[in-house]
Amino acid sequence: AAGVIQSPRHLIKEKRETATLKCYPIPRHDTVYWYQQGPGQDPQFLISFYEKMQSDKGSIPDRFSAQQFSDYHSELNMSSLELGDSALYFCASSSATGDANYGYTFGSGTRLTVV
Amino acid sequence: GEDVEQSLFLSVREGDSSVINCTYTDSSSTYLYWYKQEPGAGLQLLTYIFSNMDMKQDQRLTVLLNKKDKHLSLRIADTQTGDSAIYFCAESMDSSYKLIFGSGTRLLVRP
Repeated sequence: AAGVIQSPRHLIKEKRETATLKCYPIPRHDTVYWYQQGPGQDPQFLISFYEKMQSDKGSIPDRFSAQQFSDYHSELNMSSLELGDSALYFCASSSATGDANYGYTFGSGTRLTVV
Repeated sequence: GEDVEQSLFLSVREGDSSVINCTYTDSSSTYLYWYKQEPGAGLQLLTYIFSNMDMKQDQRLTVLLNKKDKHLSLRIADTQTGDSAIYFCAESMDSSYKLIFGSGTRLLVRP
């Protein structure tokens, strides 16, 4: 079965640079969620989108922005990168027709290292 | 408030049962989950339980929920070395599908 696809798997950027992370949801899923997991930390919710509109917002810095496109893929844009942004970034997807409460599927994540 | 706590580490011998505990503070939590994360890998959903249930069994996994004490546990029967990983409990509420994760419990299975 198709899973959530994230790209790239690994990314190394310098401080103050910009990064773009991409997420391709499971086919027919219309909701996308982004989480950040720092080293040794639990995942923290950043933001979610349903039908291309932001549906919920968590602890996402103002330097970050995200959007969901007409094909339901999503991109997380991170500017003015800081060392503390080094983390695993996970994307997950679900369908609004009711399966989100059964737990949604995460991608393998993008490991961002800021040097 | 939203706060989910877990013990940090658990070590068991292969073949024994493992019990991973979790406490949460938000009584409005409607759904509770257990996720497994292997080193350098993504989050794998193991199981979930609705807040109106007190037990759910799925093969080697048993989830117990004590809503009065806001306590959730995951029991893994016949623990194998492949079960070594970090286990996160998580909660969500009807009003939002975002997950609040616990700090994770690192399970080490000794041969």
